[in-house]
Amino acid sequence: NAGVMQNPRHLVRRRGQEARLRCSPMKGHSHVYWYRQLPEEGLKFMVYLQKENIIDESGMPKERFSAEFPKEGPSILRIQQVVRGDSAAYFCASSPRTVVTDTQYFGPGTRLTVL
Amino acid sequence: AQKITQTQPGMFVQEKEAVTLDCTYDTSDPSYGLFWYKQPSSGEMIFLIYQGSYDQQNATEGRYSLNFQKARKSANLVISASQLGDSAMYFCAMREGTGTYKYIFGTGTRLKVLA
Repeated sequence: NAGVMQNPRHLVRRRGQEARLRCSPMKGHSHVYWYRQLPEEGLKFMVYLQKENIIDESGMPKERFSAEFPKEGPSILRIQQVVRGDSAAYFCASSPRTVVTDTQYFGPGTRLTVL
Repeated sequence: AQKITQTQPGMFVQEKEAVTLDCTYDTSDPSYGLFWYKQPSSGEMIFLIYQGSYDQQNATEGRYSLNFQKARKSANLVISASQLGDSAMYFCAMREGTGTYKYIFGTGTRLKVLA
């Protein structure tokens, strides 16, 4: 059973470009979460999605960031017009349900570097 | 207010000895879950152990155990018989049971196992 897949693992962008991060959840998991980890910090929640629905985007910056989880295909986190402060590791996690006992399983992360 | 607190930025332990990593939490929700993750230098997030707020027994998973003291709101991770491969960052996380789905992470503890 494959784990959570994220690609690319490393992404380099120049200021002003767009970054597109992909996440395929574990088989059987329909709940996807995105987290951001700044250097030497813990992970911070960004957004929670189910298929075709954004459930909670309270942790996502209001501008330049968007996320989707279409009916077919991976979840996408899109960052438009990237700035140096967007440099971070972005982790995707998935779970089968949303009960408090459910463990979220994390992908390997995408390390974004903005030059 | 900080909901998850890890007060030990760094810890050292001799190989084969036990080590305790501290985690305290704050919530008014009677239903919650506590999780520990390991992040080695390669960057992925590895699930270690889970404790539910209603669990009567402390959780154990191999060499990992969770010292859960509900009245003190602490959920310390105990690693027995430390191995060199245990050197990593360790994060404590909480998930509240009412109306939220996201994990709240602590700032982490960097553990170094000495040969």
